[in-house]
Amino acid sequence: QQQVKQSPQSLIVQKGGISIINCAYENTAFDYFPWYQQFPGKGPALLIAIRPDVSEKKEGRFTISFNKSAKQFSLHIMDSQPGDSATYFCAASGGGADGLTFGKGTHLIIQP
Amino acid sequence: ETGVTQSPTHLIKTRGQQVTLRCSSQSGHNTVSWYQQALGQGPQFIFQYYREEENGRGNFPPRFSGLQFPNYSSELNVNALELDDSALYLCASSLTSGRGETQYFGPGTRLLVL
Repeated sequence: QQQVKQSPQSLIVQKGGISIINCAYENTAFDYFPWYQQFPGKGPALLIAIRPDVSEKKEGRFTISFNKSAKQFSLHIMDSQPGDSATYFCAASGGGADGLTFGKGTHLIIQP
Repeated sequence: ETGVTQSPTHLIKTRGQQVTLRCSSQSGHNTVSWYQQALGQGPQFIFQYYREEENGRGNFPPRFSGLQFPNYSSELNVNALELDDSALYLCASSLTSGRGETQYFGPGTRLLVL
């Protein structure tokens, strides 16, 4: 049973545009929601994370929006650049020893 | 770079064999987690070690086992390899095992089982 559903599977955005990736979760015990970026041949790298006590968090060009009642959260990448082309994963966890539950990933391509 | 290193980078084994993968945690981190990432999928949690003890496990059979050493480096052992074990194996270290601790991933070991 997939506990974190991510969409879209792939996304093409023009340079300078806004990239939006969405995730939905089922487990109400989740209380930590990070986004990871992964380049080919590399491990995932933390981009930004949010807890359910806030509805939005912004770091540079990256923003997480969080809707606790809908059990959804999304990543917005403003002014998308070709260097942002990578696979993005949302994740969730509900306790230190439970590990992260990842979505299936979104392959993002930013066209110059 | 996160400071988490893994070895080897690539490995080829045959079905039924055993494999040991190694991970060196980021300095000061006492918790390590292991994940399996199949091609085109998100990482799946295998287990976590905190101060040399397994303190959390995902939905993986007992032939997946691990160790954490006093210097907090870690091993993942897989016995009786199956074709479906072919994947990228990632380790991630964190400062502690508390709720919401940031996990820093290594580059992974790509395992191919023939």
